[in-house]
Amino acid sequence: DTGVSQNPRHKITKRGQNVTFRCDPISEHNRLYWYRQTLGQGPEFLTYFQNEAQLEKSRLLSDRFSAERPKGSFSTLEIQRTEQGDSAMYLCASSTTDSPNIQYFGAGTRLSVL
Amino acid sequence: ILNVEQSPQSLHVQEGDSTNFTCSFPSSNFYALHWYRWETAKSPEALFVMTLNGDEKKKGRISATLNTKEGYSYLYIKGSQPEDSATYLCAFIKAAGNKLTFGGGTRVLVKP
Repeated sequence: DTGVSQNPRHKITKRGQNVTFRCDPISEHNRLYWYRQTLGQGPEFLTYFQNEAQLEKSRLLSDRFSAERPKGSFSTLEIQRTEQGDSAMYLCASSTTDSPNIQYFGAGTRLSVL
Repeated sequence: ILNVEQSPQSLHVQEGDSTNFTCSFPSSNFYALHWYRWETAKSPEALFVMTLNGDEKKKGRISATLNTKEGYSYLYIKGSQPEDSATYLCAFIKAAGNKLTFGGGTRVLVKP
């Protein structure tokens, strides 16, 4: 399977715990994006990388959230001191830099904070 | 804040019927509009990328049109089948931007 892979698919945690998600993009894609989708809403942009550089972060990404892409390949998204409001589907997507920038998505990580 | 809206939020369609729904987006600073289909427990799948005013694109029984001057796109499903049941998302990219700004989606349920 050469698509975008996200792990884990589901994560249940208690409020106050830290969680980390991983995204493996399509191998030749140098751009990687994180989005968050809550019930009844469309996905919302969180951040994106071009190679290992984090080029844009949404104001939604509070200081409890951090994302890395250390070698320009896979990425991790960490949430510290989780809150119930963090419960959502976290989606990762990747693309090349070629127009028109089709983004290919993983199946997401569903986080439930109890 | 970019406002991308989809209507209706949900739609029940009888198998064999045709249907359509709308995405509205800012008409200024337009770069591209993407349509995705998202089935439960799967990845969102790109259907169309539309960049030019008046674009019409087709994939099997699904087609889409684009009006960038008035800021809307329609997605049409002809002869709906149960496998068309999914959430259809549109997403706007502004000029010189990279991130997708999504609408809330239209959830389509095709009843046999």
